Amino acid sequence: DIQMTQSPSSLSASVGDRVTITCRASQGIRNYVAWFQQKPGKAPKCLIYGASSLQNGVPSTFRGSGSGTDFTLTISSLQPEDFATYYCQQYDSYPLTFGGGTKVEIK
Amino acid sequence: EVQLVESGGGLVQPGGSLRLSCTASGFSFTSSAMSWVRQAPGKGLEWVSSISGSGATADYADSVKGRFTISRDKSKNTVYLEMNSLTVEETAIYFCAKNPEYFGPNWLESWGQGTLVTVSS
Repeated sequence: DIQMTQSPSSLSASVGDRVTITCRASQGIRNYVAWFQQKPGKAPKCLIYGASSLQNGVPSTFRGSGSGTDFTLTISSLQPEDFATYYCQQYDSYPLTFGGGTKVEIK
Repeated sequence: EVQLVESGGGLVQPGGSLRLSCTASGFSFTSSAMSWVRQAPGKGLEWVSSISGSGATADYADSVKGRFTISRDKSKNTVYLEMNSLTVEETAIYFCAKNPEYFGPNWLESWGQGTLVTVSS
């Protein structure tokens, strides 16, 4: 199985800050990574697929990058509605696997 | 607009069975593979199973293989997850999700609101 190691597990940031979350795959997975945002009590929402393609309706403040084993989600200017937990997911092969999550909290 | 509505969750005893349903609308049902993902209280996301658009192919996490069965009914636009021999560790919210393609591992582009399964005596 492909393991997805996500870091940090949590971070505190202020509105307007630039935030970076990383995911490392245990083996090369080309660009087969998606990123999700989840707010408390809600379903996850897909932000990015193909490592860098923005899902329809997702603000351009979100950017994904990387290929192979190392991937990054960047929020260029944190907005109040961005405080949430973020997950990466690999879809290079079954079983689909997720990173452990990064909780973005208000400083 | 894609809509996925799960149902069938509830309280079940350890060793018991439950069948979850996910009714889909807003897209061509047979053109999309479908998946189930679960989330234990306060924990992360865990993929459970996926089924191809035709229903001919299914994949499962090792943790549920042999106990869970995914299926779909195109006449009802519904995906099912039959769960047997449930353990307390499988208490979780179970989400239904739409894959962007007909077949194969993929990202999960749309999600339902989830249904809570509680396994307890």
